[in-house]
Parts: sequence; C-alpha cells; structure tokens
Amino acid sequence: EPEVTQTPSHQVTQMGQEVILRCVPISNHLYFYWYRQILGQKVEFLVSFYNNEISEKSEIFDDQFSVERPDGSNFTLKIRSTKLEDSAMYFCASSGAGRTSTEQFFGPGTRLTVL
Amino acid sequence: AQSVTQPDIHITVSEGASLELRCNYSYGATPYLFWYVQSPGQGLQLLLKYFSGDTLVQGIKGFEAEFKRSQSSFNLRKPSVHWSDAAEYFCAVGSGGYQKVTFGTGTKLQVIP
Repeated sequence: EPEVTQTPSHQVTQMGQEVILRCVPISNHLYFYWYRQILGQKVEFLVSFYNNEISEKSEIFDDQFSVERPDGSNFTLKIRSTKLEDSAMYFCASSGAGRTSTEQFFGPGTRLTVL
Repeated sequence: AQSVTQPDIHITVSEGASLELRCNYSYGATPYLFWYVQSPGQGLQLLLKYFSGDTLVQGIKGFEAEFKRSQSSFNLRKPSVHWSDAAEYFCAVGSGGYQKVTFGTGTKLQVIP
C-alpha cells in the first residue's frame, strides 16, 4: 500500500539554525500539507500546497517557514531560524486529486528538537 | 470556522469493556469527519471516516462511529476493548479534498487488565 514517508525521523538542532524537513508524498497525489504537534498538544495545521503554490496557511506559518516541491517527488518544509518553541513533531500529509478526495494520508512524522 | 471538541481528556476502561469516545464538531456545511489513533511516539493512523451515506461507519480494528447531524457529534465506539487499543485518539473535521483538517485535542485511552 502506498504511503507518505518522512526524513529524518528525528532532527536535533541549535536555536537559530536552519532545518529542512523532507517528505515524499504518495506518488499520484496533488495536494500536500504540513501539520505540527507540540508535545502533549493537538495536531495543528501549518500549510497546504497545490500546483506549486501555497493554498492556505495558518497564523503559525510565518516568514520563518517556507515550503517547496523541489522535484517531482519531494515536498519540504524549511524553518529559517529555529526557535525553542519550534520543537514539535512535524507531520506531512498528501491527498489525491480533486474535491472527491476524502482523506489526507499522514506520514510518520519528524520529531524536531531545538536546543 | 471549523472546530472539534473532545470533552474527555483521559479515559480508563477495563480490558473487554465497551468504549465510547465523544466528539462534537462545528462546521458550516456537510463535514468530512475522521478518527485517527496515535500510539506514543508514532504517527497518525486513520481508523475511519465519514463523508456521506450511512451514518454508522465501520473502521479498522473493530471500531465504529456514528454521525449524528442533529447533535453535531461523531462518537467512536468499540464493543470490547483490547490492551493494544491504549493510545491517543483524535477526532478531526475537514471539507475533503484539498482543505485543511482540524483536529480535536485528543482523548488518551488507558486500558487496565
């Protein structure tokens, strides 16, 4: 069964450093998303992406964040200058084409620890 | 704006007992509703979803959920809980397709022997 994959599974970085979280969505999917979950809290939407553009973003997704689909398979989330409060689990998700797609498929997550 | 309320933060049940996890949603149109399960340190696994049709939805691992539009609820049930069901359960609402999914705060399930 096709699945969303994410690398690395765990990333440790120093405050102020840039990090790039990588995701490989399901191959025929067209919509891509990032969510995050701070430890002990709920899963929060960050951004959705379609046709090489951001479709929607939350207030969390400020200028420190960016997303990119650098090639036909990868989807990345970049945090330009990490803060302690960016420590969280980051989930990538993808969904199929069109409004008939009924669900988003989530990857296993990348745990980001900012020291 | 869409929102989800899971009123129970933590529930403890005995193995073999029945389970019901509550979920209420707020959404302007016909919602797409989901239940996800998350084991410690793991990702999100979809248990079941509702978007139209029969309001009683069957999912994996013996779970089911019932959509009640009049009560804006989508409660998750299981007739007999197994120790391996101990995890955190998230109810979520979306509009399908490319729209974001909004999650509830989760219910942590503990199963005692």
